[in-house]
Amino acid sequence: QEQLVESGGGVVQPGRSLRLSCAASGFTFSNYGMHWVRQAPGKGLEWVAVIWYDGSNKYYPDSVKGRFTISRDTSKNTLFLQMNSLRAEDTAVYYCAREGRDSGWYLGGFDIWGQGTMVTVSP
Amino acid sequence: DIVLTQSPDSLAVSLGERATINCKSSQSVSYSSHNKNFLSWYQQKPGQPPKLLIYWVSTRESGVPDRFSGSGSGTDFTLTISSLQAEDVAVYYCQQYYNTLWTFGQGTKVEIK
Repeated sequence: QEQLVESGGGVVQPGRSLRLSCAASGFTFSNYGMHWVRQAPGKGLEWVAVIWYDGSNKYYPDSVKGRFTISRDTSKNTLFLQMNSLRAEDTAVYYCAREGRDSGWYLGGFDIWGQGTMVTVSP
Repeated sequence: DIVLTQSPDSLAVSLGERATINCKSSQSVSYSSHNKNFLSWYQQKPGQPPKLLIYWVSTRESGVPDRFSGSGSGTDFTLTISSLQAEDVAVYYCQQYYNTLWTFGQGTKVEIK
């Protein structure tokens, strides 16, 4: 069964760093682009980062560019998000999600989601 | 950046009645070279991650009941629940991909009247 399991969340002070992990199973990890999406408490969804299936490209929205870095370890079927210079507004549940595919075409959307890991940035 | 605006923010519908959610994009999400509109819809229930319902505007994800349908083109898109069931109570999000950016609408809360 295709599954994503996040870990690494917690409480961290502003300006500090945190590294999230996402373990993938049940599918060929190296065939898929992977994303991080976050959701602040009681708020909507915000896309955070993407990494191509082969790691060749990475993209971020302006809200995290220069502070967050997405990476992947195909040998361990694991996705990472390194978060530096954390701010209070980064407080959210962080989901990893798979870029879906259909008949070889990318969906432009996310077909598998993890349960999320909570990150709280507080003094 | 493309902004997606959903309407209404919330709606209450009687069981068995139709629910309609709109999603308007600030610019077209159509990739003419791919003949694709990368517009998706998600359902999120409390305490759960989002679930993909619809992609490419109108293609239902495997296992999604056929009472859920998507339509639209260019900048205006719609998610329709043809006959609302109790288990459909949730927040629904539209989402687009264009030019290496992915964005979501603000969400629409669907409740039972």
